[in-house]
Amino acid sequence: EAGVAQSPRYKIIEKRQSVAFWCNPISGHATLYWYQQILGQGPKLLIQFQNNGVVDDSQLPKDRFSAERLKGVDSTLKIQPAKLEDSAVYLCASSLEGGTDEQFFGPGTRLTVL
Amino acid sequence: AQTVTQSQPEMSVQEAETVTLSCTYDTSESDYYLFWYKQPPSRQMILVIRQEAYKQQNATENRFSVNFQKAAKSFSLKISDSQLGDAAMYFCAYRRDTGNQFYFGTGTSLTVIP
Repeated sequence: EAGVAQSPRYKIIEKRQSVAFWCNPISGHATLYWYQQILGQGPKLLIQFQNNGVVDDSQLPKDRFSAERLKGVDSTLKIQPAKLEDSAVYLCASSLEGGTDEQFFGPGTRLTVL
Repeated sequence: AQTVTQSQPEMSVQEAETVTLSCTYDTSESDYYLFWYKQPPSRQMILVIRQEAYKQQNATENRFSVNFQKAAKSFSLKISDSQLGDAAMYFCAYRRDTGNQFYFGTGTSLTVIP
């Protein structure tokens, strides 16, 4: 079975620019997560979707970050405008349902903001 | 807020030997779940082992086992017969019985010496 796909794998932008990341979860997985992993830290949940609805976005900086999951499958995470402190790896994960179902992670997108 | 602490930023072990990675957490909840994730250099996170707090028996998955001390809020991971492929970052994670947030520690980088 195919894993979680993410693109691009790497992105370098200048501050104040916009950037978007794409995630395709494992087929049939209802729950999708976006995490931010800053170097030297563990992943921090930004947003969780159940199908196409938002379950938790309490740690998403909504003034600059947005995410959507149209049709309950693919998802995009956008940063507009980017700041230096947004440099991190952005991980997407999916699970069959939510709760304590095992999360399957994608390879991540490494963002560098100059 | 829940916090997860991994006090060992780096650990090393000789191939075929045993190593224990430490994790402590802070919570006022009685029901919750604990996880160990492995993140190899390719960056794809993989679930290693899971423990339900209501279970007294320590979880075991082949060469991986945990020492769960609920009263002490300690959740260590023991890797027996270490293999070169075990080299990775290991993250301890906590999740409440209800709610969606996973809380990750800062990770322990494990090196396996041939």
